[in-house]
Amino acid sequence: GENVEQHPSTLSVQEGDSAVIKCTYSDSASNYFPWYKQELGKRPQLIIDIRSNVGEKKDQRIAVTLNKTAKHFSLHITETQPEDSAVYFCAAEEIRGTSYGKLTFGQGTILTVHP
Amino acid sequence: GAGVSQSPRYKVAKRGQDVALRCDPISGHVSLFWYQQALGQGPEFLTYFQNEAQLDKSGLPSDRFFAERPEGSVSTLKIQRTLQEDSAVYLCASSLSTGGSQPQHFGDGTRLSIL
Repeated sequence: GENVEQHPSTLSVQEGDSAVIKCTYSDSASNYFPWYKQELGKRPQLIIDIRSNVGEKKDQRIAVTLNKTAKHFSLHITETQPEDSAVYFCAAEEIRGTSYGKLTFGQGTILTVHP
Repeated sequence: GAGVSQSPRYKVAKRGQDVALRCDPISGHVSLFWYQQALGQGPEFLTYFQNEAQLDKSGLPSDRFFAERPEGSVSTLKIQRTLQEDSAVYLCASSLSTGGSQPQHFGDGTRLSIL
């Protein structure tokens, strides 16, 4: 099955700096890669996703890049703000048959943005 | 509804008791997933429903875990003869359709503590 590795486990930045979180995956058949933000005691919230037919996607201060050959993808947050502080999870979807996709998550990155 | 709803938010049970956790997916969502999230870890897949059909239960840790979605909407995850190792947050997610590459929307989860 799929295996997803995520680094770093903790990341501390000053407000206004950029933050980068990296993930690698093992199954070359995976083709959908979402990123979730989870605040303490709350639900994981989808913040951005990318499909394998594109190499980069951007949404305001958030961008994701995908390198299918190397099997890695990254989350980039620019101009960080204290409210960006949370745990971020990457995930990769493996298609089971033709009917659905099962997500395998990374271990998470605790991002702290200092004012 | 506005989002995925789970109840109860918190459940404390004694070792050996049975528990039942409920998930109300977003109205009209065909796909429903259950995940288990241990403290400080990413969610791990338990089981998947497409409408009322349970297509994958490969992630259920043991035969003490049972899930159902009899009418293709609300789902219940039941754990029999609970053990301390069952303590975790149980997350439910739904997505609009099948076929993969569909955003999964999560509920706030049920935090289960086994004493």
